[in-house]
Amino acid sequence: DGGITQSPKYLFRKEGQNVTLSCEQNLNHDAMYWYRQDPGQGLRLIYYSQIVNDFQKGDIAEGYSVSREKKESFPLTVTSAQKNPTAFYLCASSRWDSDNTQYFGPGTRLTVL
Amino acid sequence: AQSVTQLDSHVSVSEGTPVLLRCNYSSSYSPSLFWYVQHPNKGLQLLLKYTSAATLVKGINGFEAEFKKSETSFHLTKPSAHMSDAAEYFCVVTPSGGYNKLIFGAGTRLAVHP
Repeated sequence: DGGITQSPKYLFRKEGQNVTLSCEQNLNHDAMYWYRQDPGQGLRLIYYSQIVNDFQKGDIAEGYSVSREKKESFPLTVTSAQKNPTAFYLCASSRWDSDNTQYFGPGTRLTVL
Repeated sequence: AQSVTQLDSHVSVSEGTPVLLRCNYSSSYSPSLFWYVQHPNKGLQLLLKYTSAATLVKGINGFEAEFKKSETSFHLTKPSAHMSDAAEYFCVVTPSGGYNKLIFGAGTRLAVHP
């Protein structure tokens, strides 16, 4: 069954802690993306990666870091430098050709206590 | 520059009546256009996409959208609403091919009443 998985579904963090959100895809897509969604708003791009070992900052990369060691995996670390990390985080993937449709995972809701 | 405007932040319909969610876009390039649906605390699900083939695009769950270049519109319709259609809907534009930034509309919340 092909798709994108994100874990955990809910995550609680104390102030000052780093946390890592997992994103895995078995669609054989080259590109992967991380978005942040705040209540009542659209999605904002954090980072994206076209190929393994390469990634680019999106619109709101400050306070976040990523890695892309495997094609299937694109974890996102929310660092203590992110001033307002409470949000819904969505991972997506796509091909890197004329069909660049992005497919989304189920999301992780991060709450800072 | 590209942009997307969803003309209604909230739409309320009765079950069994037609649904119309309006979207206007601006794009300097030949765009790809998408509609996604998001149920509460869920990810985005692709409803349909336009990529310069047929201007009338059929999607999942009975939804369809028509690309009208002269009006720069890509409105989403469904003949008969179901309770399960209640969700947030996003209109999205991007130039075709490779990575191009997705430009999201602000979303339209659809309420369906019995």
